Amino acid sequence: EAQVTQNPRYLITVTGKKLTVTCSQNMNHEYMSWYRQDPGLGLRQIYYSMNVEVTDKGDVPEGYKVSRKEKRNFPLILESPSPNQTSLYFCASSLSRGGNYYGYTFGSGTRLTVV
Amino acid sequence: ILNVEQSPQSLHVQEGDSTNFTCSFPSSNFYALHWYRWETAKSPEALFVMTLNGDEKKKGRISATLNTKEGYSYLYIKGSQPEDSATYLCAITNDYKLSFGAGTTVTVRA
Repeated sequence: EAQVTQNPRYLITVTGKKLTVTCSQNMNHEYMSWYRQDPGLGLRQIYYSMNVEVTDKGDVPEGYKVSRKEKRNFPLILESPSPNQTSLYFCASSLSRGGNYYGYTFGSGTRLTVV
Repeated sequence: ILNVEQSPQSLHVQEGDSTNFTCSFPSSNFYALHWYRWETAKSPEALFVMTLNGDEKKKGRISATLNTKEGYSYLYIKGSQPEDSATYLCAITNDYKLSFGAGTTVTVRA
């Protein structure tokens, strides 16, 4: 089944404790992206990647890191999480860059709480 | 950041009635517009990707139109059913970035 797999689904952590949210897709998509969803706001892009070893900042990159060492994986790293990073996170992938013509396939989401 | 506005923020519709709502966006430097359906506790699913002015797309009882010159798209739901209850997200892309609106939450009352 074609899918984007995110782990974990739920995570509660403490301020300053490094964490990684994993994202993997099995569709051979070149384009992958991370978004966060907060109440009253649209999905906001954190980082995106157009291919292996090619990543760039989205609209809200502060406090996050990413890497794209393999085509299928695009982990999101929070080196020192803070409470304002409490949010619902989505990973997405697309056959075309920016999802222009094919749309995005989204993962199931990770609800992160930083206390 | 590409400014995408959706209205209304939420709406309630009686089962069997039809409804529609709007997505507005800057018409300059337009590449494509996406509509997604997002049900509670699930992930957003792509409904339509539209690129050409005047485009109309249809999927079952849901359809969408696009006006790139004036910068808006309408999503229509015909004969609403309870399973249509969801948040509908609009997004536009300037080639490599997809920017989302805050969504319109539709609640269909039986």
